[in-house]
Amino acid sequence: GNSVTQMEGPVTLSEEAFLTINCTYTATGYPSLFWYVQYPGEGLQLLLKATKADDKGSNKGFEATYRKETTSFHLEKGSVQVSDSAVYFCALSDRGQGAQKLVFGQGTRLTINP
Amino acid sequence: SQTIHQWPATLVQPVGSPLSLECTVEGTSNPNLYWYRQAAGRGLQLLFYSVGIGQISSEVPQNLSASRPQDRQFILSSKKLLLSDSGFYLCAFTSGSLLDTQYFGPGTRLTVL
Repeated sequence: GNSVTQMEGPVTLSEEAFLTINCTYTATGYPSLFWYVQYPGEGLQLLLKATKADDKGSNKGFEATYRKETTSFHLEKGSVQVSDSAVYFCALSDRGQGAQKLVFGQGTRLTINP
Repeated sequence: SQTIHQWPATLVQPVGSPLSLECTVEGTSNPNLYWYRQAAGRGLQLLFYSVGIGQISSEVPQNLSASRPQDRQFILSSKKLLLSDSGFYLCAFTSGSLLDTQYFGPGTRLTVL
């Protein structure tokens, strides 16, 4: 079945550091790929998405490129802030019959120190 | 604009007691609705989804059930809670032209003692 593997956390960085959170997937067909962010005590917010190979999703300084050849969707940000501290989830869409279902990675907890 | 609500926000229940969590969506019609559970320090597990009133698909057999009595209302229930039911429960929806993108509610934190 479809699956998503994320870089294990927790990840701790200093403010203004470069961030990469790795995500690879296994899927039949051509799923859409997503990054969601969860701030403490809250639900998930869509951060960015890409719907086909070579698409780049971007939002709030974060970027991720859909790489079909390496089945990856790594999340990057050039200069992180304390406010980026959260748990980040990579996910893919499973376009079966009926409702679209999301398959999530385990999540990566990111802490940014001032 | 489309919004999603969940309540209660926090719940502490004894083992063996019943459960009812509610999720409602505003600003859209005929959404697809989803219930997820997030156990402490773990990822999200899809529990149920619904493509219409009265239509429920279960992903994982367990102590929980779901119902959709109205188009924009999704309820998660249990007759007798177990300790293992503790977790963070999230409702989500998709609708309209963005059927590949799910939007999540604020969640309900359930502690079973």
